[in-house]
Amino acid sequence: QLVLTQSPSASASLGASVKLTCTLSSGHSSFSIAWHQQQPDKGPRFLLKINSDGSHNKGGGIPDRFSGSSSGAERYLTISSLQSDDESDYYCQAWGTGVVVFGGGTKLTVL
Amino acid sequence: QVQLLESGGGVVQPGRSLRLSCAASGFIFRNYGMYWARQAPGKGLEWVAVIWYDGSNTYYADSVKGRFTISRDNSKNTVYLQMNSLSAQDTAVYYCAREYGGATYYFDAFDMWGQGTMVSVSS
Repeated sequence: QLVLTQSPSASASLGASVKLTCTLSSGHSSFSIAWHQQQPDKGPRFLLKINSDGSHNKGGGIPDRFSGSSSGAERYLTISSLQSDDESDYYCQAWGTGVVVFGGGTKLTVL
Repeated sequence: QVQLLESGGGVVQPGRSLRLSCAASGFIFRNYGMYWARQAPGKGLEWVAVIWYDGSNTYYADSVKGRFTISRDNSKNTVYLQMNSLSAQDTAVYYCAREYGGATYYFDAFDMWGQGTMVSVSS
């Protein structure tokens, strides 16, 4: 069964970098995933799609501060030079035949 | 402007029906698969349904299978979600989303989201 695991919360200081992790369930380590940002009281926004080899494609208008990488069953979202409006919920998404799943989300606090 | 705009949400009694619409603009709608997802109050995202770009196939989450129907009208650049036999567990903000890349017969990432429409099921 395809399952995505995310830490519920993360925090980092203004101007610093943070690396969020999304872990694919056993047997799914070759899957691509997508990262989405959801600011408070807003709809989600697509950030980027990451392949198992770490290559990634960003959505239109997404700043260079956002990047993706991969290692085994883990997919990462790194945000550098943190800004106050990066304080959001971040969801990873994966898909297979007949199903789409989301991780539980990570709430990022910018200190 | 490239955007998705949902409508049709509201308050409905348990057991009743509701139809959501999502109007697309700024891109070639007929070339993209379209999804619905939802988010219950204070909870995470849940995929609901998908329809291929040409309408040839649809898939549903187990939680809505047999009660919800996704459809599209490519002449109106609109995707719909017909929701029947609604219960309190269906209370959520409903989002439509576009398929990454377009014109495929397989699942993929969502690369654009609407702003959502709220559905409240309550007596």
